[in-house]
Amino acid sequence: AQRVTQPEKLLSVFKGAPVELKCNYSYSGSPELFWYVQYSRQRLQLLLRHISRESIKGFTADLNKGETSFHLKKPFAQEEDSAMYYCALSGMDTGRRALTFGSGTRLQVQP
Amino acid sequence: EPEVTQTPSHQVTQMGQEVILRCVPISNHLYFYWYRQILGQKVEFLVSFYNNEISEKSEIFDDQFSVERPDGSNFTLKIRSTKLEDSAMYFCASSEAPRGGGQPQHFGDGTRLSIL
Repeated sequence: AQRVTQPEKLLSVFKGAPVELKCNYSYSGSPELFWYVQYSRQRLQLLLRHISRESIKGFTADLNKGETSFHLKKPFAQEEDSAMYYCALSGMDTGRRALTFGSGTRLQVQP
Repeated sequence: EPEVTQTPSHQVTQMGQEVILRCVPISNHLYFYWYRQILGQKVEFLVSFYNNEISEKSEIFDDQFSVERPDGSNFTLKIRSTKLEDSAMYFCASSEAPRGGGQPQHFGDGTRLSIL
């Protein structure tokens, strides 16, 4: 079975502080990992996927297979980063495209 | 930028009634999905659909659920006899055909289903 764990329900930081949103996964095969973001009153939007190894809005995430983690990081948080962040996994090696989501972390960036 | 659209935004239905949730996926996408999120809980996968048939489904997607692509643009989720526990936000998503890896899923705004 596959599982995604986001241990923090809420992360509150001040503007300009570094941010790390934790995501750990459990999957026996080769996973594909994603971060989705949901700003207030907006739809779920793709933020990052590990396969593309890009930085979006200053956020990066590295897949660490040894620690089974895919933590989301940003060196300097901005107020507009305040949102709900979801880590998600799919098992592309099995052809399964269904996403398994974590429970989400609400990021609050205070001025 | 093209978007997945869902209607209605909010549906209130009496327990035991049938409900149909509608989605218009992004036009060049080939894979379609339904997810739900019960208040305070995780987003959960229900079903995926490709080439006019179900390609994956979860344990949640039992006989009271069905999906259909009635024409070239709509993708619907039907719940035959709603229960109180079906109250949730239902999200539709779509993705392109995979190219050397999974393609990201694009989500709609969701339909909030309230069962009375």
